[in-house]
Amino acid sequence: EVQLVESGGGLVQPGGSLRLSCAASGFTFSSYAMSWVRQAPGKGLEWVSAISGSGGSTYYADSVKGRFTISRDNSKNTLYLQMNSLRAEDTAVYYCAKGIRYFAQVSYMDVWGKGTTVTVSS
Amino acid sequence: DIQMTQSPSSLSASVGDRVTITCRASQGISNYLAWFQQKPGKAPKSLIYAASSLQSGVPSKFSGSGSGTDFTLTISSLQPEDFATYYCQQYNSFPFTFGPGTKVDIK
Repeated sequence: EVQLVESGGGLVQPGGSLRLSCAASGFTFSSYAMSWVRQAPGKGLEWVSAISGSGGSTYYADSVKGRFTISRDNSKNTLYLQMNSLRAEDTAVYYCAKGIRYFAQVSYMDVWGKGTTVTVSS
Repeated sequence: DIQMTQSPSSLSASVGDRVTITCRASQGISNYLAWFQQKPGKAPKSLIYAASSLQSGVPSKFSGSGSGTDFTLTISSLQPEDFATYYCQQYNSFPFTFGPGTKVDIK
């Protein structure tokens, strides 16, 4: 069974940093692109970032470009999101999602984790 | 960026009703359109990809259609477990974008 389990969320002050992790199991992790999607309290879904199967290609939403970094360790079947210079508007549940192909382009997200909550507040 | 709109933003329906939700893209996206269902406090669940292909394990009461800029999600006979918020999403180009959602609740 394909499983994605996010961790690393918590309360952080504005300007602070946090690293999210997503542990994957049940599929050949390195063969699939992965994404992060977030949802602010009471709001809709917002795509944040995507990465190809090798990690060689990465993509970001303008709202996080230059502050967040997506990466993956295929030897550990784990996806990461390093979040720096956090703002109140980054407060959200962060989901990791599996793509359906190696490349992140035109890759729909078929399996999602349960999410981890990030709260940016002083 | 490609903007996604959905209509209606919410609807009330009864068990057994046929429900249709519309999604429109601000520019052509071929058939790179997905639909997701989300219940309160839960992660989104994928329903439809490539505009009309049913995700494995999703019941056939869900169907999708469209291409280019206009798409629809239809639930043929609404059941209690279908009351949720539905989102469309384009994955034709980065940044991937979602519609604002359609909340389906009980009449």
